[in-house]
Amino acid sequence: DTAVSQTPKYLVTQMGNDKSIKCEQNLGHDTMYWYKQDSKKFLKIMFSYNNKELIINETVPNRFSPKSPDKAHLNLHINSLELGDSAVYFCASSQSLSQNIQYFGAGTRLSVL
Amino acid sequence: GESVGLHLPTLSVQEGDNSIINCAYSNSASDYFIWYKQESGKGPQFIIDIRSNMDKRQGQRVTVLLNKTVKHLSLQIAATQPGDSAVYFCAETSGYSTLTFGKGTMLLVSP
Repeated sequence: DTAVSQTPKYLVTQMGNDKSIKCEQNLGHDTMYWYKQDSKKFLKIMFSYNNKELIINETVPNRFSPKSPDKAHLNLHINSLELGDSAVYFCASSQSLSQNIQYFGAGTRLSVL
Repeated sequence: GESVGLHLPTLSVQEGDNSIINCAYSNSASDYFIWYKQESGKGPQFIIDIRSNMDKRQGQRVTVLLNKTVKHLSLQIAATQPGDSAVYFCAETSGYSTLTFGKGTMLLVSP
């Protein structure tokens, strides 16, 4: 039983394409996040949602659009993919905004060619 | 020994040694700190946390030390095992703000 699951695990695509990454958590948490991890392993927050509402958008280009159909899901859609979008994207969840222990998915490695 | 190269700082130890991974944080308002372990091909995994009203917390084989005066955090791993090989991140936060992750340290354990 994977607590935070994201699909796909690998995504290889051409520049200019549009792609989506899905994330689901079965922990009953209220808060979900998307992070980007670059080639130097630096983890940077992109978005956080609490009960389906956007809380944080950390200067992410408009080409990235998160969607939370319910509090157990937070999907990430990326339009017009660029080379610099290549990274590993992690979804995470926490019980609430004030409960800071975050549980991470296994990551989606995006390669833009 | 510990080295800082072009990429991730790396700490190489022998199996059975004790490991100490250090982290400097910048926000003096941070009041909650977490250590995460990230194995190759996996997401970060919670190890141990500490609040700013404490200076030491122990878990199973791990100890976190917090020095608020110099804004320094360390993770000590006793009797390091090959399975401890991973990248270790410290993360800080205050109140309702999100976690800010440090740059990470790679721990390599030789049998």
